[in-house]
Amino acid sequence: QSALTQPASVSGSPGQSITISCTGSSSDIAGYNYVSWYQQHPGKAPKLMIYDVTNRPSGVSNRFSGSKPGNTASLTISGLQAEDEAEYYCSSYTTRTSGVYVFGSGTKVTVL
Amino acid sequence: VQLVQSGAEVKKPGSSVKVSCKASGGTFSNDAITWVRQAPGQGLEWMGRIIPILGLANYAQKFQGRVTITADESTSTAYMELSSLRSEDTAVYYCAGALDNGFDPWGQGTLVTVSS
Repeated sequence: QSALTQPASVSGSPGQSITISCTGSSSDIAGYNYVSWYQQHPGKAPKLMIYDVTNRPSGVSNRFSGSKPGNTASLTISGLQAEDEAEYYCSSYTTRTSGVYVFGSGTKVTVL
Repeated sequence: VQLVQSGAEVKKPGSSVKVSCKASGGTFSNDAITWVRQAPGQGLEWMGRIIPILGLANYAQKFQGRVTITADESTSTAYMELSSLRSEDTAVYYCAGALDNGFDPWGQGTLVTVSS
């Protein structure tokens, strides 16, 4: 059972914007600005899309953006494209006894 | 820097497996190497990490006592050993570097199958 809660699925049409939420607690998301987001295509290794809530690694499209209002982090994909169809995971530093970092349950993004 | 992992393994229940992760095209930085696993059809699970320059490792509570993460700075290689294997440990095991508090880059993954 993941400590961070994500919706199981989100969908949108090409060109639209979608937002994926990641809900935690004061022990993780609300307490620290150490949220990251990963994109994973089937059979591939995850790819870092956002780190430290809002930062994009070099090479990641500016269509991807992150925010963190309260104890919920969000990943927004604007101008949705077919290649954005993938599984997305959030992660956060945590002070729970479960470990140093924790992942969310994952969200399947479908491009209609 | 790329992270290159060792090949797939098939293990018997109760045995141990040791997966390696070598930094190719560079060396370990001062940052952590993290291990993450993904069971078939399931999500990502954080297992633990090591800061090679310090030799300091942290583990997820779920794996405490069964997992050991080490690093050899001279060869820029990190290792994850999991003992007392059971069928539920069948998964793809990934190593990843660090970009501040994000995990990057990632290794290609190593499939560990536990079967009698």
